[in-house]
Amino acid sequence: AQSVTQLGSHVSVSEGALVLLRCNYSSSVPPYLFWYVQYPNQGLQLLLKYTSAATLVKGINGFEAEFKKSETSFHLTKPSAHMRDAAEYFCAVSLGSGNTGKLIFGQGTTLQVKP
Amino acid sequence: NAGVTQTPKFQVLKTGQSMTLQCAQDMNHNSMYWYRQDPGMGLRLIYYSASEGTTDKGEVPNGYNVSRLNKREFSLRLESAAPSQTSVYFCASSELGQGALYEQYFGPGTRLTVT
Repeated sequence: AQSVTQLGSHVSVSEGALVLLRCNYSSSVPPYLFWYVQYPNQGLQLLLKYTSAATLVKGINGFEAEFKKSETSFHLTKPSAHMRDAAEYFCAVSLGSGNTGKLIFGQGTTLQVKP
Repeated sequence: NAGVTQTPKFQVLKTGQSMTLQCAQDMNHNSMYWYRQDPGMGLRLIYYSASEGTTDKGEVPNGYNVSRLNKREFSLRLESAAPSQTSVYFCASSELGQGALYEQYFGPGTRLTVT
């Protein structure tokens, strides 16, 4: 069965520092992987997605993620954090086979950016 | 183009009361989903509808029912609310696609408190 684990429920960085949010998945089939961001009191917004076209995926707001099959990881990075990046981030995996489009979400990581 | 809309935004219920959460999308998507979000648990799928006329249980369906009224609308009903159903509820929609690689679009959420 597919599952997603996000390491670290809270990550704190200084403005301008590197952001690294970790996501590991388990899947019996080649996965489709997503990162979503949730700003306070809002719904989720897609940051980026991996659909097997390229292992390094670039998303919005300067974020990117690299799919590493050998490590079953899809970590999210940004070279330089902005105050506006403070939000909750969710990694998700698609169940793949079939056409239902269901997603399994990780527990979420809250990113704090300090001035 | 409003995307995914949800009503109401906030609701307080007493134990045993019933209510229906409404969701509508204007993107002509086939698939729609209901999630609940609880602290530290990410988003968990309650029910989904892969296409108009079909509904299926997700991870946490107990205590809920759904109706796919037409292609645009997907409602979630709590027949007899319980304090354990206090949560933030999100509706989402996506296009069907081979391999389930299409992203889900989320509504702004409904904050439900059951006392």
